[in-house]
Amino acid sequence: RKEVEQDPGPFNVPEGATVAFNCTYSNSASQSFFWYRQDCRKEPKLLMSVYSSGNEDGRFTAQLNRASQYISLLIRDSKLSDSATYLCVVNNQGGKLIFGQGTELSVKP
Amino acid sequence: GAGVSQSPSNKVTEKGKDVELRCDPISGHTALYWYRQSLGQGLEFLIYFQGNSAPDKSGLPSDRFSAERTGGSVSTLTIQRTQQEDSAVYLCASSLSTGSYNEQFFGPGTRLTVL
Repeated sequence: RKEVEQDPGPFNVPEGATVAFNCTYSNSASQSFFWYRQDCRKEPKLLMSVYSSGNEDGRFTAQLNRASQYISLLIRDSKLSDSATYLCVVNNQGGKLIFGQGTELSVKP
Repeated sequence: GAGVSQSPSNKVTEKGKDVELRCDPISGHTALYWYRQSLGQGLEFLIYFQGNSAPDKSGLPSDRFSAERTGGSVSTLTIQRTQQEDSAVYLCASSLSTGSYNEQFFGPGTRLTVL
């Protein structure tokens, strides 16, 4: 079993749709949590950190449930420019990031 | 300011040859990480350096892989006697420190192809 697991995807949605990404992690001692975005043949870039209280940044909302070891990302009113692969990422210790396999999102006009 | 830079951007080599990949972190960042991304494996951690501490090598897949960081700045990842399964994109990242929520900034990667 992988340490960080995500929806396999891909997700194909129309512009304006709401999209939800889910992720689970296996190490209960994990310390911090992130969503990264990776465009085709580019490096990953931090989208959002995820905190226990939940956090929102414009159209993006991230949630963390430590008891269930579950992380989510919600994108509202999706745009064509949101098309990318979304990576669920966990930091267990000392900055070493553990990545999920990623979920590809394609937003169509 | 300048981001993380890596060289070369692409490297094609023959099986059995040694390769060196270079990473220049963001100035002032004390932590430096190497990851690799291959088809079917996703992104996996290889090694990280934090200041003058001993590096965490727990992700290196075999003793053919090694890395060093000179003067707390530039890092070189060396793969000896390359194998076809070493083909991947090798990504370097840096951060201000290794604190839990310190953002890691990634370089553009080196695409390694072993023939």
